[in-house]
Amino acid sequence: KNEVEQSPQNLTAQEGEFITINCSYSVGISALHWLQQHPGGGIVSLFMLSSGKKKHGRLIATINIQEKHSSLHITASHPRDSAVYICAVRSGLDSGAGSYQLTFGKGTKLSVIP
Amino acid sequence: GAGVSQSPSNKVTEKGKDVELRCDPISGHTALYWYRQSLGQGLEFLIYFQGNSAPDKSGLPSDRFSAERTGGSVSTLTIQRTQQEDSAVYLCASSYRTGSYEQYFGPGTRLTVT
Repeated sequence: KNEVEQSPQNLTAQEGEFITINCSYSVGISALHWLQQHPGGGIVSLFMLSSGKKKHGRLIATINIQEKHSSLHITASHPRDSAVYICAVRSGLDSGAGSYQLTFGKGTKLSVIP
Repeated sequence: GAGVSQSPSNKVTEKGKDVELRCDPISGHTALYWYRQSLGQGLEFLIYFQGNSAPDKSGLPSDRFSAERTGGSVSTLTIQRTQQEDSAVYLCASSYRTGSYEQYFGPGTRLTVT
């Protein structure tokens, strides 16, 4: 079973700071997801990536398959970015059994202070 | 179009009672997933449906849990003889297909067993 570790568990930042959240996993994967969960509980998918880098607005996600590591960066952070950020991995090949199951990290709680 | 919807949003039940949780996936999405998020814990996979194929029930924690998906659309998660440890937020997600397709999450049902 894949073990997914996120760091830090909690992060407090001043508005405008550059933020990095890290995710490491133990077994090779077919895809990695970054999810955002706001205090109300709703979950939004931010990125799904299997290699390289993706950018959406102020958010950037990178993945290094060889090192089994991904990072989520937030530039020019804002209080509305305050949320729990969750890393999830999908193991195996797209056509393989169990490949659709996601294994989740415990999340990183981000608080951005004005 | 409408996103994934779940009902009820909150459910309080007495220990030993049965509960049914409902999920309406995004129209046209053939894959449907149930997850559970217990207090202080990460998300965990429960069950997965893909089209008319047999569901993957490997994540269900006990035989008190069951789920069905009628007509390839709406899904119901049933918990029989609820226990206090069943208290959690139950999340449903759907995707166009399995594999490299983004999952869209519903708002969740918060279940409290007293």
